[in-house]
Amino acid sequence: QSVLTQPPSVSAAPGQKVTISCSGSSSNIGNNYVSWYQQLPGTAPTLLIYDNNKRPSGIPDRFSGSKSGTSATLGITGLQTGDEADYYCGTWDSRLNGGVFGTGTKVTVL
Amino acid sequence: QVQLQQSGPGLVKPSQTLSVTCAISGDSVSSNSAAWNWIRQSPSRGLEWLGRTYYRSKWNNNYAVSVKSRITINPDTSKNQFSLQLNSVTPEDTAVYYCARGDIGIDSWGQGTLVTVSS
Repeated sequence: QSVLTQPPSVSAAPGQKVTISCSGSSSNIGNNYVSWYQQLPGTAPTLLIYDNNKRPSGIPDRFSGSKSGTSATLGITGLQTGDEADYYCGTWDSRLNGGVFGTGTKVTVL
Repeated sequence: QVQLQQSGPGLVKPSQTLSVTCAISGDSVSSNSAAWNWIRQSPSRGLEWLGRTYYRSKWNNNYAVSVKSRITINPDTSKNQFSLQLNSVTPEDTAVYYCARGDIGIDSWGQGTLVTVSS
């Protein structure tokens, strides 16, 4: 169903770094800005990154975003137990003329 | 600080219409810089964008292809809110429905409404 592909899960020890990939196509990531969202259990998603690499106020610089071609990446450094959550990428798809989200990635802190 | 408060029934019978409303505080549904979205989430379909309404000199709507024939999103300027109507629902429409503000970046979300489609 999802147009954007993410790995189902990533894990690392506290203090380490993880990266989450988001793969799309020229009609979505390739020509539109990417956002990233964190969803803690039982809550609504919250915005982590917008416009590929910008952080809303209040989001620590441990979270970073980048984009290259038709893929985007979310990085989390200094991993904390509170970072255990599901992470989603999102963007606009110009061919579908609608929003699209990634399949989601569960981050586990070992 | 924008806040979005959702309301609507949690149970809808198959073939009937699902309706959820989102009341906005801290912003205006008629804002020339915001878009007002409906998004749903289920274990089988993940996060799914359903559609949006926004005002840019006139009202505009975009709808997801998957629901385009069944969905209506309407703004209500008198109450500063917007609503979702999804017709002819089936059990596959069972999901948590979120209203949300944003264009490419969705920066505010409602609390979510679990809607179950069952007889």
